[in-house]
Amino acid sequence: QSALTQPASVSGSPGQSITISCTGTSSDVGSYNLVSWYQQHPGKAPKLMIYEVSKRPSGVSNRFSGSKSGNTASLTISGLQAEDEADYYCCSYAGSSTFAVFGGGTQLTVL
Amino acid sequence: EVQLVESGGGLVQPGGSLRLSCAASGFTFSSYWMSWVRQAPGKGLEWVANIKQDGSEKYYVDSVKGRFTISRDNAKNSLYLQMNSLRAEDTAVYYCARDQEEAYFDYWGQGTLVTVSS
Repeated sequence: QSALTQPASVSGSPGQSITISCTGTSSDVGSYNLVSWYQQHPGKAPKLMIYEVSKRPSGVSNRFSGSKSGNTASLTISGLQAEDEADYYCCSYAGSSTFAVFGGGTQLTVL
Repeated sequence: EVQLVESGGGLVQPGGSLRLSCAASGFTFSSYWMSWVRQAPGKGLEWVANIKQDGSEKYYVDSVKGRFTISRDNAKNSLYLQMNSLRAEDTAVYYCARDQEEAYFDYWGQGTLVTVSS
């Protein structure tokens, strides 16, 4: 099972909005509304930011939002803050045998 | 507070074995699927294996099938990963994660580093 495709890096200035894409196939992203997003700061464990395409766990800022169209999911961060600088990973359910497949990760730089 | 604490990582030679453990607290361990997710140095995340609440179902990524075994002890609130026939490409930080059946991981441990090298 191939990893989902994410841009290697994105950047934005404080206060701006950025969007990170996550492209899969009809076997994963396209077939299930089970895309999640994780934030990972250097040397730290990943943190769940979005699940089931667009739901936010308790405690996650409403500046983070998710969506999906066809085989591509997206994470949008509005009102960028310095603390948002991190790596972001998407993940999708990929069927009962494969279970979950991650994207390669996107490094977000806040300029 | 949910806590997941991994242990058991270290340096092992190619072909060797290692057993990882994950101690869970702060939630009803026996009510959740659990997963192992790994991250090679400087690389992305890779789901490795998961196990159903009662241990009756287990799933693995193709690259570890036949070499790794996931298990759990609900009486001890613990998750395990037995890794045999280790290869250099298994070198990674291994995270224990609470696994929602909708294929997302809502709590993660701090990870334990496994290095496979001669």
